[in-house]
Amino acid sequence: EPEVTQTPSHQVTQMGQEVILRCVPISNHLYFYWYRQILGQKVEFLVSFYNNEISEKSEIFDDQFSVERPDGSNFTLKIRSTKLEDSAMYFCASRDTSKETQYFGPGTRLLVL
Amino acid sequence: GQSLEQPSEVTAVEGAIVQINCTYQTSGFYGLSWYQQHDGGAPTFLSYNALDGLEETGRFSSFLSRSDSYGYLLLQELQMKDSASYFCAVSGGYQKVTFGTGTKLQVIP
Repeated sequence: EPEVTQTPSHQVTQMGQEVILRCVPISNHLYFYWYRQILGQKVEFLVSFYNNEISEKSEIFDDQFSVERPDGSNFTLKIRSTKLEDSAMYFCASRDTSKETQYFGPGTRLLVL
Repeated sequence: GQSLEQPSEVTAVEGAIVQINCTYQTSGFYGLSWYQQHDGGAPTFLSYNALDGLEETGRFSSFLSRSDSYGYLLLQELQMKDSASYFCAVSGGYQKVTFGTGTKLQVIP
């Protein structure tokens, strides 16, 4: 069964550094999402992406964040100048046009020191 | 703004039925989804309701009342593996999804 993949599974970085989280959505899906989940808390929407542009973004998704689809398979989240409070699990998700089902990747656990 | 309220914890006996409620206040509404998340795992989609009424998928059913801004997830014939967190989520904008606070379900023998 097709699945969303994410790399790396874990990332440790120093405060102020830039990180890039990578996702490979399911191949025929056209809608892509990034979410984050701070340990023990709810899943928070960051951004949705369709047709090579951002379709929605949350208040969390400020100028520190950017997304890109650099080629036909990858979908990336870049966090510039990371802060301690960026430490969380980051999930990528994708869905096709006909259903509301979002398929989540296994997540990247980011730790900012 | 968007807010979704769920009970924080529910305990139920194996084989029983449990209902997890969700009330929402959102500036836009397209539909209500439910997700399951085991500890350390990713959310897994369970169901989606865009219209009022009950949707059934095996042991899981989900209900929506748009006029009451209310929905619930019903789990029947509970199994130990159903112990997990359950989140309701509102599709409130063009592609924006807001998750509830989550309900931790513990199934006991």
